[in-house]
Amino acid sequence: NAGVTQTPKFQVLKTGQSMTLQCAQDMNHNSMYWYRQDPGMGLRLIYYSASEGTTDKGEVPNGYNVSRLNKREFSLRLESAAPSQTSVYFCASSSWTGQNQPQHFGDGTRLSIL
Amino acid sequence: ILNVEQSPQSLHVQEGDSTNFTCSFPSSNFYALHWYRWETAKSPEALFVMTLNGDEKKKGRISATLNTKEGYSYLYIKGSQPEDSATYLCASNTGTASKLTFGTGTRLQVTL
Repeated sequence: NAGVTQTPKFQVLKTGQSMTLQCAQDMNHNSMYWYRQDPGMGLRLIYYSASEGTTDKGEVPNGYNVSRLNKREFSLRLESAAPSQTSVYFCASSSWTGQNQPQHFGDGTRLSIL
Repeated sequence: ILNVEQSPQSLHVQEGDSTNFTCSFPSSNFYALHWYRWETAKSPEALFVMTLNGDEKKKGRISATLNTKEGYSYLYIKGSQPEDSATYLCASNTGTASKLTFGTGTRLQVTL
């Protein structure tokens, strides 16, 4: 059982390039999330999708777009990468966005913007 | 943006020691408090989700308590083992059921 799978695991971009991070889950979860992890800071929510067909902004959405392609897949796009977007990105899913549902995380994508 | 704070930032104990750390969060409009364990080079893994004041949950040597009125939760590890070395994250979805706000974590190192 793969759980939450993120691709790629590592990526280096130049400023201004675009990039899509892919995330897929095989747990039949309704809700999916994208976070970024920066040194000295907690995981910060970028965007989330409560269910297929819906997306909402999190704490730090600027510079990003998302697509909930189907129930399994939730992608994060950087249209014009900036050095401030250098971070480790985590995708997560939960059965739904109810308060007592734990989130299941992927292994992360380490992204460097030069 | 609500603040979820964890203390201490890091902790170094010897094998066999018992230890505990704290997560504090705004107590108004509380929905749930989550604890995650995050080992180096792996992804965060859920330990507990707690919703009721006075809740206490246990998984092996790890347990957690919740006080929603004063806005804190404690995580306890009894008889620490080297494999307990990890960062322990707490997160709250106070204010909105849909979004979790994470603390910066407590990094635990257990040595022989």
